[in-house]
Amino acid sequence: DAGVTQSPTHLIKTRGQQVTLRCSPISGHKSVSWYQQVLGQGPQFIFQYYEKEERGRGNFPDRFSARQFPNYSSELNVNALLLGDSALYLCASSPELRDRVTNFGGQPQHFGDGTRLSIL
Amino acid sequence: AQTVTQSQPEMSVQEAETVTLSCTYDTSENNYYLFWYKQPPSRQMILVIRQEAYKQQNATENRFSVNFQKAAKSFSLKISDSQLGDTAMYFCAFMKHNAAGANSKLTFGKGITLSVRP
Repeated sequence: DAGVTQSPTHLIKTRGQQVTLRCSPISGHKSVSWYQQVLGQGPQFIFQYYEKEERGRGNFPDRFSARQFPNYSSELNVNALLLGDSALYLCASSPELRDRVTNFGGQPQHFGDGTRLSIL
Repeated sequence: AQTVTQSQPEMSVQEAETVTLSCTYDTSENNYYLFWYKQPPSRQMILVIRQEAYKQQNATENRFSVNFQKAAKSFSLKISDSQLGDTAMYFCAFMKHNAAGANSKLTFGKGITLSVRP
């Protein structure tokens, strides 16, 4: 089975431009999360979507937005790009938010290879 | 808010030896989950091991095991019989036990770079 796929792999933009990053979750996974990883740091949570609804948002400005489509794929949009937006953007998917039998959480998230965004 | 601290930026180990990576966290939650992820230079984040806080038994996955000390809020990863392919950045991560309607975000530490020497 295919893993989480992200496109594009690399992207170069200039300040003030807008960018759209795409993510396809593992087949059957309904939850998609986005993380930003600045060089040398751990990933920071941006958004989580489940069943097309936003379930969480991290401490990021309104220039960041996202959506999830009926096929559970997702897009992350960033407007008015700043130099500080240069980072690896990771998408992660999980089957559910909670185990349907036990109702426990802690579903492992499966990550894609990321999109390397460079702002000039 | 939860915080995850990985105070060792780098470690090195000889192939076939054992190494332990440290992680501490801070939370007021009683139920939660802890993870170790591995990120090799290929950059894909790979799940290594998962621990439920309500379980006293330490999780193990082949050569990987954890030492989970809930009272001390410590969650270290032990890698036995280190292999060259274990060279990577290792991240410790925390997830709350999400109530209905909540999200299940991961809070990561800064990571530790592990080098396995031949």
